[in-house]
Amino acid sequence: KNQVEQSPQSLIILEGKNCTLQCNYTVSPFSNLRWYKQDTGRGPVSLTIMTFSENTKSNGRYTATLDADTKQSSLHITASQLSDSASYICVVSEAGRRALTFGSGTRLQVQP
Amino acid sequence: NAGVTQTPKFQVLKTGQSMTLQCAQDMNHEYMSWYRQDPGMGLRLIHYSVGAGITDQGEVPNGYNVSRSTTEDFPLRLLSAAPSQTSVYFCASSYSTGGGAIRETQYFGPGTRLLVL
Repeated sequence: KNQVEQSPQSLIILEGKNCTLQCNYTVSPFSNLRWYKQDTGRGPVSLTIMTFSENTKSNGRYTATLDADTKQSSLHITASQLSDSASYICVVSEAGRRALTFGSGTRLQVQP
Repeated sequence: NAGVTQTPKFQVLKTGQSMTLQCAQDMNHEYMSWYRQDPGMGLRLIHYSVGAGITDQGEVPNGYNVSRSTTEDFPLRLLSAAPSQTSVYFCASSYSTGGGAIRETQYFGPGTRLLVL
């Protein structure tokens, strides 16, 4: 069964610090990998989408990396802000199928 | 653009009742989908549509019906609500580039929180 595993489940950091969230997947065949940010009580919002040939993609202070050989991705947040407090969800799109496989997310709390 | 809108925001049902969750988008997206989000689990696909008149089942379709009569609207019907359907429901839409995979950015609505007693 295709799976997407994220770690850690939750994380608390101080404002201004950096952090890295991890995602491992078994989805095959692979089409693309996405990272979403979900604020409490809201729908997910797309941060990045990466295909097989892309190994780094940035969106402001968010940088995602992808290693398609080891089936791992990471999301690095630089100089965290209080507004970064949210759940971050890793999502993988399977080639040949109109469906996405979602991880259960990492809940990030940024404290002042 | 309003993006993806969902109504209602919150609903309480009794077991056995039926209801329709509404979803609309104003971006002329061909692909629309319904997910449910339960604590500790990733979003799971219920049903999806690649265009008006075309729908298909996702991972957890039992107990739900959909139809797509227009590009803009994609309602989700609960036929006979059960406590196991207590969840947060999200509608999402995107352009459809074909080829059998989802390649475009998906835009999510704000969600409907459903409690079945």
